[in-house]
Amino acid sequence: LAKTTQPISMDSYEGQEVNITCSHNNIATNDYITWYQQFPSQGPRFIIQGYKTKVTNEVASLFIPADRKSSTLSLPRVSLSDTAVYYCLVGDMEAGNMLTFGGGTRLMVKP
Amino acid sequence: DAGVIQSPRHEVTEMGQEVTLRCKPISGHDYLFWYRQTMMRGLELLIYFNNNVPIDDSGMPEDRFSAKMPNASFSTLKIQPSEPRDSAVYFCASRDSGRAYETQYFGPGTRLLVL
Repeated sequence: LAKTTQPISMDSYEGQEVNITCSHNNIATNDYITWYQQFPSQGPRFIIQGYKTKVTNEVASLFIPADRKSSTLSLPRVSLSDTAVYYCLVGDMEAGNMLTFGGGTRLMVKP
Repeated sequence: DAGVIQSPRHEVTEMGQEVTLRCKPISGHDYLFWYRQTMMRGLELLIYFNNNVPIDDSGMPEDRFSAKMPNASFSTLKIQPSEPRDSAVYFCASRDSGRAYETQYFGPGTRLLVL
């Protein structure tokens, strides 16, 4: 099971771009990289998922280098409402490899 | 769709009592997960089901914990007897394996306090 390492916390200001990097050195060939967001008193919410290169949706972008040993979640022009915990997960559920939530990165966006 | 529904939202009980948490997954989803979240241990996967069958319960902390899924639209997590260290937020999540993404949809959680 691929272990992930990400910063415990980050601070940013409104309007800035935030990049959160996750390390997953022992990622397996069939593993996908998934990011979830969790607000206080709510369950985690899916943000984005990718396998390689770059993925973009209406919320964020995910950058994955060729070796796939890390990934970077990019949040463009954050607002106060983006204050949350962001989790990086690596795994392949179809192979019976359960996704494991690590400690996450606590992002604080300041005015 | 109403999303994943959990009940109760809050539960306060005394040590030794039986606690039953309930979950209704999103219709059509074939995977169901139970998680526990505490400040100390973060978000832990307890057990998950595929097509109502328990696949892996290695995360269940002790024999005091049990989970069932009698049909595709209902699951329970039971703690008997409950202990103060079981106090946590319990989340249920469901997933449709037919989707391209490995997306789990989480419910609002049940906040359990065992006194």
